[in-house]
Amino acid sequence: DSGVTQTPKHLITATGQRVTLRCSPRSGDLSVYWYQQSLDQGLQFLIQYYNGEERAKGNILERFSAQQFPDLHSELNLSSLELGDSALYFCASSVTGVSYEQYFGPGTRLTVT
Amino acid sequence: DQQVKQNSPSLSVQEGRISILNCDYTNSMFDYFLWYKKYPAEGPTFLISISSIKDKNEDGRFTVFLNKSAKHLSLHIVPSQPGDSAVYFCAASASRGGSEKLVFGKGTKLTVNP
Repeated sequence: DSGVTQTPKHLITATGQRVTLRCSPRSGDLSVYWYQQSLDQGLQFLIQYYNGEERAKGNILERFSAQQFPDLHSELNLSSLELGDSALYFCASSVTGVSYEQYFGPGTRLTVT
Repeated sequence: DQQVKQNSPSLSVQEGRISILNCDYTNSMFDYFLWYKKYPAEGPTFLISISSIKDKNEDGRFTVFLNKSAKHLSLHIVPSQPGDSAVYFCAASASRGGSEKLVFGKGTKLTVNP
């Protein structure tokens, strides 16, 4: 158990809909990262938050947004969903500034039908 | 453009033998490298890492070797055990990139046969 929790575990929704994925980092970790893993793809970095502030953006679509709250949990919002958004979404956390090791949650499997 | 490449999608070895997983990178700004292991229906688990100031790091049965001139790293598992069967991801980070984000390869599926 990495100490990172993600909810929900599975999500099935229709095209055009909006969903919210939630992540709670390990106790003490200030950084939260979101990654997307599509079929036959490695993990693609989406966005990083550090202590409530956006720190880095990767290949995140404009239809996607994220935020980190004062209690350090994070939410990833996906809107106007398309079939191609079906993927595993992982959240990871780390103690930024100390090491590069990131600890991953179990992921949320999103299926868009 | 893939900055981190794992050219072998799969690898099969016998229990007790050595497993060697390879990874190549193209971005010379990368200076920290990590290996993650992933079982089905679970998130990736951190395994071992190496800084670019070193060429070898060892942790029990796992050793990572880094060849900066060739932009190549490898993970050695000795001896391999059936429980090591998983997908292994190589990842890299650039300390001067302003973020600790990781760039991942597509993974190598390791199967250790009893």
